[in-house]
Amino acid sequence: ELKVEQNPLFLSMQEGKNYTIYCNYSTTSDRLYWYRQDPGKSLESLFVLLSNGAVKQEGRLMASLDTKARLSTLHITAAVHDLSATYFCAVDGGGADGLTFGKGTHLIIQP
Amino acid sequence: DAGVIQSPRHEVTEMGQEVTLRCKPISGHNSLFWYRQTMMRGLELLIYFNNNVPIDDSGMPEDRFSAKMPNASFSTLKIQPSEPRDSAVYFCASSFYASGELFFGEGSRLTVL
Repeated sequence: ELKVEQNPLFLSMQEGKNYTIYCNYSTTSDRLYWYRQDPGKSLESLFVLLSNGAVKQEGRLMASLDTKARLSTLHITAAVHDLSATYFCAVDGGGADGLTFGKGTHLIIQP
Repeated sequence: DAGVIQSPRHEVTEMGQEVTLRCKPISGHNSLFWYRQTMMRGLELLIYFNNNVPIDDSGMPEDRFSAKMPNASFSTLKIQPSEPRDSAVYFCASSFYASGELFFGEGSRLTVL
């Protein structure tokens, strides 16, 4: 059974700081997705990572995938308040089971 | 494209009543998923369909829950009878294939009194 672990689950940080969210998974996969959820809203797709070494960047967010380490990171550069949200990673286990989601990282960025 | 469309957006009902949630996936998507989200349990996969056929319903809590997908453009999730512990946000999502990028609807917020 594929397990996906995110850490930290809760993060409070100040504007202007850098930080990284980690997503570890338990079985081989080369497809990983990051989603953002604002309070009371739906999940919005952020990044699609489809191969080892994939790196995607959008504004102050950068996501990468290391399939050998079974690890993806979501790096936040010079955080701003608008990035406050819950971030989920989701992994394709390779079978017919759909995606397996992590528990989410609740990120609060304080002015 | 209008995206995944869910209705109703909000539903307040009393315990014992039947609840039906509806979903229209993105046209051309072959896979449809129903998720439930609560503060306590997070995001849970209830059931998913591939080409209108239910593939995995192991996440459905109990017999009170049922889901159908009569055609490629419509799915329902029914709870009968509803209980207060069913209160949650129910999301529908669709994708081109089972392990592809998911596109979520806005969710249906259910409150059972």
